[in-house]
Amino acid sequence: EAQVTQNPRYLITVTGKKLTVTCSQNMNHEYMSWYRQDPGLGLRQIYYSMNVEVTDKGDVPEGYKVSRKEKRNFPLILESPSPNQTSLYFCASRSPMGIGEKLFFGSGTQLSVL
Amino acid sequence: GDSVTQMEGPVTLSEEAFLTINCTYTATGYPSLFWYVQYPGEGLQLLLKATKADDKGSNKGFEATYRKETTSFHLEKGSVQVSDSAVYFCALEVIGTYKYIFGTGTRLKVLA
Repeated sequence: EAQVTQNPRYLITVTGKKLTVTCSQNMNHEYMSWYRQDPGLGLRQIYYSMNVEVTDKGDVPEGYKVSRKEKRNFPLILESPSPNQTSLYFCASRSPMGIGEKLFFGSGTQLSVL
Repeated sequence: GDSVTQMEGPVTLSEEAFLTINCTYTATGYPSLFWYVQYPGEGLQLLLKATKADDKGSNKGFEATYRKETTSFHLEKGSVQVSDSAVYFCALEVIGTYKYIFGTGTRLKVLA
């Protein structure tokens, strides 16, 4: 089954404790991206990657890092989390352009930073 | 910069009522436009899309037409069901950037 898998589903942490949210896709997609969803603000793009070793900032990259060492994985790293990063996070991959192009989303990671 | 504005929710309707969720956009050129739907506890799923002016996207009884004159992409359904209860997001892909911009989402609740 084609899917994007995020882990963990829920995470509670404390300010300053480094964490990683993993994301993996099994569709061989080149494009992957991370979003955060906040009430009244909708989804905002954090980072995206067009291929292995190619990443770029979205609209709200501050406080986040990403890496793309292999095509299937695109982890989101919070080096020193702060309470304003409490949010619902989604990873997505995109099917190739011109072939019914669309984003496939993971089920989300609810992060609480205390 | 590019932006998407959609109507605030929540929208509460009775089953079989007509649905319209408004979406307007600001963009350079003619971006691809999308409606995504988020069911409770799940990630977003593509509902429909349109890639050029006057295109009509449709799926599961939902429709939206790309109107460049009014820079709009309103979502409509003739007869909603309880199972349509979800949050609906309008979105565009910024031309030439691989970036997506989403609206704030509109929660729809359909009552039996």
